[in-house]
Amino acid sequence: DTGVSQDPRHKITKRGQNVTFRCDPISEHNRLYWYRQTLGQGPEFLTYFQNEAQLEKSRLLSDRFSAERPKGSFSTLEIQRTEQGDSAMYLCASSFPGLARTDTQYFGPGTRLTVL
Amino acid sequence: GESVGLHLPTLSVQEGDNSIINCAYSNSASDYFIWYKQESGKGPQFIIDIRSNMDKRQGQRVTVLLNKTVKHLSLQIAATQPGDSAVYFCAENRGGSQGNLIFGKGTKLSVKP
Repeated sequence: DTGVSQDPRHKITKRGQNVTFRCDPISEHNRLYWYRQTLGQGPEFLTYFQNEAQLEKSRLLSDRFSAERPKGSFSTLEIQRTEQGDSAMYLCASSFPGLARTDTQYFGPGTRLTVL
Repeated sequence: GESVGLHLPTLSVQEGDNSIINCAYSNSASDYFIWYKQESGKGPQFIIDIRSNMDKRQGQRVTVLLNKTVKHLSLQIAATQPGDSAVYFCAENRGGSQGNLIFGKGTKLSVKP
């Protein structure tokens, strides 16, 4: 499978615990995005990287959230001191805008987080 | 406020009929639009995209229409099949250095056999 992969697919944790998610983008894609999706809503942007540089962060990304892409390939999203409001699907997407300047983003299957 | 939205939250069609899903956007600076299909428990799947310098684009069984005058986007699915049942989202990219997509709330398409 050469698509975007995410791990784990499901995570159940207790409030106050830290969790970390991983995303592996499509191999030639230099942009990587994180989104959050709650039930019945469309995905909401959290942050994105171009290669290893984090270029944009949403105001949704509180100081409990941190994302990294150390070598410009896979990325991790960590949530510290989880709260019940963090329960959501966390989606990763990747793209390669190239010369066409169209940023078609391809999504992974998501990580479903449940905070008890 | 600036947002991408949809006219109908649900759409039910008979198998074999054509489906039309609508989307309104409010940011005239948006230069790229994408339709995604999302099945339950899965990530959004790319269907078709269109740039703002076009008003129509066709794919396999799908057509996207863009009307910049009224800031309206639609997705037409020909000969709708049960496998088309899903939630459909339109998303806009506002261009420039902003890489993120802005999504609407989605339309749930149900196909009756």
